[in-house]
Amino acid sequence: GAGVSQSPSNKVTEKGKDVELRCDPISGHTALYWYRQSLGQGLEFLIYFQGNSAPDKSGLPSDRFSAERTGGSVSTLTIQRTQQEDSAVYLCASSYRGLGNEQFFGPGTRLTVL
Amino acid sequence: KNEVEQSPQNLTAQEGEFITINCSYSVGISALHWLQQHPGGGIVSLFMLSSGKKKHGRLIATINIQEKHSSLHITASHPRDSAVYICAALQIKAAGNKLTFGGGTRVLVKP
Repeated sequence: GAGVSQSPSNKVTEKGKDVELRCDPISGHTALYWYRQSLGQGLEFLIYFQGNSAPDKSGLPSDRFSAERTGGSVSTLTIQRTQQEDSAVYLCASSYRGLGNEQFFGPGTRLTVL
Repeated sequence: KNEVEQSPQNLTAQEGEFITINCSYSVGISALHWLQQHPGGGIVSLFMLSSGKKKHGRLIATINIQEKHSSLHITASHPRDSAVYICAALQIKAAGNKLTFGGGTRVLVKP
């Protein structure tokens, strides 16, 4: 069965460029999460979408980060004017319902900002 | 002090040994999440618990809400259990939800 997929798997970009990372959640999952894992660091919560509710953006590190979820399915995380400290693995997860339910993780996108 | 602390940071065990990983948190939580991150980076959700104990195969997770402490136990450990185990404290509040991760425990099981 299809799990959570993310694209691209790797992205190398130059400082100052914008990047878009995509997440395809498991079909039927109403909740979608974005996380970041910097090299040698723990997981960091970024943003959470649940159904048609306004997203919980409390974890976004700066206003250069934004995310959308279209049609309650695919999500795009956009980082504008990338900085070297944005280099990390960006992980997406989805769950059948909201927080408090088992999350299924995608393979991540490794972002390197030169 | 981090809101979620795990111990130990690293653990090496011989195959067959019983392993315990601890997670302490300093905030009121709605639930606690245990995750397993494989050497290749993939993450699997193991347990989500808000009270008592849960068991799945050789894995057991317990939580003591009063003591703000959870443990993950691996019985009859196997080299394939080698991974980083991460706990995350979930706070569901009207002001906003928060999921705070521990730093992870790196487990190596030797054959």
